[in-house]
Parts: sequence; structure tokens; C-alpha cells
Amino acid sequence: DTEVTQTPKHLVMGMTNKKSLKCEQHMGHRAMYWYKQKAKKPPELMFVYSYEKLSINESVPSRFSPECPNSSLLNLHLHALQPEDSALYLCASSQADREAFFGQGTRLTVV
Amino acid sequence: SQQGEEDPQALSIQEGENATMNCSYKTSINNLQWYRQNSGRGLVHLILIRSNEREKHSGRLRVTLDTSKKSSSLLITASRAADTASYFCATDGQGAQKLVFGQGTRLTINP
Repeated sequence: DTEVTQTPKHLVMGMTNKKSLKCEQHMGHRAMYWYKQKAKKPPELMFVYSYEKLSINESVPSRFSPECPNSSLLNLHLHALQPEDSALYLCASSQADREAFFGQGTRLTVV
Repeated sequence: SQQGEEDPQALSIQEGENATMNCSYKTSINNLQWYRQNSGRGLVHLILIRSNEREKHSGRLRVTLDTSKKSSSLLITASRAADTASYFCATDGQGAQKLVFGQGTRLTINP
């Protein structure tokens, strides 16, 4: 199984809503990532978890809150987002110093 | 800030022709990777080349790496319509888990 599964595929939320994005992998990878991608731009790193501990936070606003409940799951909790946060949110996983496997992403629209 | 810069930003060629994309980066790296993305969905890993390697092949793909010039190129031979996608280079120059993407090349293969 070389899949990273992200849910939901699409999400529309209001600026006062609370929602969560979910990511799951069963490849035994110990590093998991959240990226944000705007249209026609490259993915931008948000967070990295290594062995279930947050190792990198790229100065992301606190309205984005990551969580790694176990080695297979990664969540991104969203609260009080702004319209400019609308983007494709990508989850990825990897073994150390190896290629990353990406999910299909969640297309988020904040209204 | 983005580690890699790619050129061209967009490339349109006829089916059957070869496509070459270039990537430049700023800091020393352990490895450089190339990814493909179709229509704003998940990224698919193509090739990983380590800093002590100069060339790598995978099917119709050929990647070169010149660490003295801090540059890499991706050659796709005998292009097909299905190769139409955005192609990104990514480097780990800022830390093994910090995979940073270049601006990408949008490749269009015309039938």
C-alpha cells in the first residue's frame, strides 16, 4: 500500500467554522507533512511531524493547528480561517532521506 | 523562501518531441527530487538523485545534477499527451525533512 489518503476531497467552510482535515498512511513512514498550495504556485511547507512529534512549524498562523494522534494519522484543525486561506492542502509522508508520497489533497474554500 | 527556481515557467511542444526542464537551487543538498502534478491534484514522485550522483534514468526520464552549478535538469523523451502536467524540483537543502519546491514548469504536450 503506497497510498496517502486525505479526507475530505473538498471542503467549504465559513470564517467562524471549525473543521478538520485528515490524512492517513500505512507505509510505516515516520515523517508526515502538511503543505499548502495556491493556484499556479508550488507547494509551501507548513508543518512536519517526525516520530509523532512536531519538528517543523513554518511560522504558520495559529488558526491552523496540526495534530498527530499516531504514526499513521495526521490531522489539521482549522478555526477562524480567512478567505485567503482558500487553497489545496496536501499531506505527504516519507522515510528519512527518501521520496515523499503525497495524498490527492483537500480543496478548501473559505467563504 | 523557495529553494529552487525552474525554467522555463511554461513549455509547449508537439507529441513525440523531447522536453527539457531546468532547476537551480541555492544551498548545498543531500538530494534533489522531481515531482509531477496533474491539474492541481497530488504530486507524484518521479526521480530522486543524490548529491553524489550525476545522472539518473527512469524509463523516458533522465535527470542530471551538477552540484558545482547548483542545477539539475529533467529530460522527458518521446513526449506523450499524458505527460501534460506541472513539474517541480524539490530539494532538502534546508534540512532533511524540509522538502522545498521550486516554482515549477507547466508542460503542455500538443497532439
